[in-house]
Amino acid sequence: GDSVTQMEGPVTLSEEAFLTINCTYTATGYPSLFWYVQYPGEGLQLLLKATKADDKGSNKGFEATYRKETTSFHLEKGSVQVSDSAVYFCALKHNAGKSTFGDGTTLTVKP
Amino acid sequence: NAGVMQNPRHLVRRRGQEARLRCSPMKGHSHVYWYRQLPEEGLKFMVYLQKENIIDESGMPKERFSAEFPKEGPSILRIQQVVRGDSAAYFCASSRTDPGNTIYFGEGSWLTVV
Repeated sequence: GDSVTQMEGPVTLSEEAFLTINCTYTATGYPSLFWYVQYPGEGLQLLLKATKADDKGSNKGFEATYRKETTSFHLEKGSVQVSDSAVYFCALKHNAGKSTFGDGTTLTVKP
Repeated sequence: NAGVMQNPRHLVRRRGQEARLRCSPMKGHSHVYWYRQLPEEGLKFMVYLQKENIIDESGMPKERFSAEFPKEGPSILRIQQVVRGDSAAYFCASSRTDPGNTIYFGEGSWLTVV
C-alpha cells in the first residue's frame, strides 16, 4: 500500500535559517503530492501541491518539487520566520481515493 | 465559499456515552474523509464516503465506530460507548474528483472522554 515517510522532528531553527523537511513516498502509479501545515489547536491547511513529476509547488516562500526518480517531495524555505512554527505534513493522493499522510514534522523557529 | 464545517469543536463525554461528530463539506464537494489524530501522533485515515455510500472504511475500528453521509445533511461520525482511548482530534476533509485531487480540512472536533 501507499506510504509517506517524513524526516523526524522536532526541528529547531533560528529565524532566517534555511529549512528543509524531507519527504519520500511509496505508491503505485502517479499520485498527487501535498504539504499541509497545522498550527496549534487548528486543522490542517493546504500549503502547496504538485500533481505530476517535475512540478514545483510554491506558496508563502515554501516550495517543493515532485521528484519521481527519487520518489521525494522535500519542503524548503530560504528564510524561516517565528510565525512558521507549526507541524508540517507531507501527503499523497490518488484520484478519487484517500490521502495518505506522513507522521508530521514539528518545526520551532526561535527569534 | 465556506470551508469545511465541523461541529462541535470540543466535546466532552463520560465513558460509555455516545459521541456524534458532524461535518458539512465545502460547497460543490461530494467526497468526505474522516481522520483521527491522537495526541502527539500523525493523522490516521478512518473512512471515505460519498453521498449515501461508504467507499473505503479500512481505517475504521471494527466496533463502536460508524459513519454516514446521507443524501441530505452533514456527514456524521458516531462513536458508541466511548472509552478514554477515543480521546483525540477528529478531522473531516472534503474534495471533488477533479484532477487536482486536493482535500480541504475542517478545524477539527476535539473529543475528550472522562
